Amino acid sequence: DSGVTQTPKHLITATGQRVTLRCSPRSGDLSVYWYQQSLDQGLQFLIQYYNGEERAKGNILERFSAQQFPDLHSELNLSSLELGDSALYFCASSGGTASRSNYGYTFGSGTRLTVV
Amino acid sequence: AQTVTQSQPEMSVQEAETVTLSCTYDTSESDYYLFWYKQPPSRQMILVIRQEAYKQQNATENRFSVNFQKAAKSFSLKISDSQLGDAAMYFCAYRSGNTGNQFYFGTGTSLTVIP
Repeated sequence: DSGVTQTPKHLITATGQRVTLRCSPRSGDLSVYWYQQSLDQGLQFLIQYYNGEERAKGNILERFSAQQFPDLHSELNLSSLELGDSALYFCASSGGTASRSNYGYTFGSGTRLTVV
Repeated sequence: AQTVTQSQPEMSVQEAETVTLSCTYDTSESDYYLFWYKQPPSRQMILVIRQEAYKQQNATENRFSVNFQKAAKSFSLKISDSQLGDAAMYFCAYRSGNTGNQFYFGTGTSLTVIP
């Protein structure tokens, strides 16, 4: 157990639907990051939150949104789903903004989203 | 944006032998960190080794070591005494020391260990 919890582990839904993926960071970590890994692809950065505020945004579609709550858990909302959104969605956490003492991520085990 | 390139989509190694996975990156920054992550069939992302750019000494973690060539922007991973459990996808990753915590990942190298 890495300490980062993602739910659900698997999700199957139809095109056009909306889903919410949840991430609880490791205890004490303030930053949450979301990544998308499509089949046989590397990880693409979607968005980062730090202590409740959006800190950085990557290649995140307008149909996707995220937020981080006061208890530091985060949710990634995916709407108007398309077949191409099928992927493994990872959440990772770290202890704060860039610093020499904190340069590692802890990954969750991912949510496998299948859009049919 | 920084780019990370892994030019070997697939590699194989005999059990107990040594294999080297290649990674190059492109950056204009001087302060950054480099990582190798392992993704076994379980799909969990596992940190294998990390290297700070300001350190000249190559990082080592048991059977895993890196060859960090800063001028050449090269960061290869050497796995010694390969074991069946080393079979996985390996991702090279870059993180800036200055502009936030985002990681940039390569496309990965799939490592097969032959018994």
